[in-house]
Amino acid sequence: EVQLLESGGDLVQPGGGSLRLSCAASGFTFSICAMNWVRQAPGKALEWVASISGSADATYYADSVKGRFTISRDNSENTLYLQMNNLRVEDTAVYYCVRRSGGWGDFDLWGQGTLVTVSS
Amino acid sequence: EVVLTQSPATLSLSPGERATLSCRASQSVSNYLAWFQQKPGQAPRLLVHGASYRATGVPARFSGTGSGTDFTLTISSLEPEDFAIYYCQQRSNWPLTFGGGTKVEFK
Repeated sequence: EVQLLESGGDLVQPGGGSLRLSCAASGFTFSICAMNWVRQAPGKALEWVASISGSADATYYADSVKGRFTISRDNSENTLYLQMNNLRVEDTAVYYCVRRSGGWGDFDLWGQGTLVTVSS
Repeated sequence: EVVLTQSPATLSLSPGERATLSCRASQSVSNYLAWFQQKPGQAPRLLVHGASYRATGVPARFSGTGSGTDFTLTISSLEPEDFAIYYCQQRSNWPLTFGGGTKVEFK
């Protein structure tokens, strides 16, 4: 079955807390797909967070997370990661792992999301 | 950054009615515009890509038009399962951006 399964969401304290999200991909050729993280704060719109090319030679970040978050992937394990450091209250959101079709195409496959709560 | 402005914020309609949703870009995104549907507690679902191409499995009552800066998603006759929030998104320029969403609710 073609699917993305996120894990790693948790409650963390602001001002220095860290978390690593994982996304296990199955049912498709992971290594040729650009992968992404998109988040959604409670009751808010979708926000793109980061993207990585299939071969991991190119990464892109939203300004709101640049320097704090790192996207990476392990193509041998079909897994996408998001290392989140120096978490802030405003990072509280459901984080979705998303595939882009045909390389840098459209967001055509979404995971179910994992909730990150940053609160004291 | 390309800002996508969706209107209206809320659309109150009845089943069987036609829904017209707008998405306006602050600069041209050519046809690199997609539409997503999101229901409560669910992940978004791709409806339309390339401004006018329905994704696999999407019913023909959904249609997308436009290019450049002005785009429209039309639902020709609302079914009960179509009441949801709809987002537009552009992939023409980094950073990738989404619109603020249009909620289609029961009248």
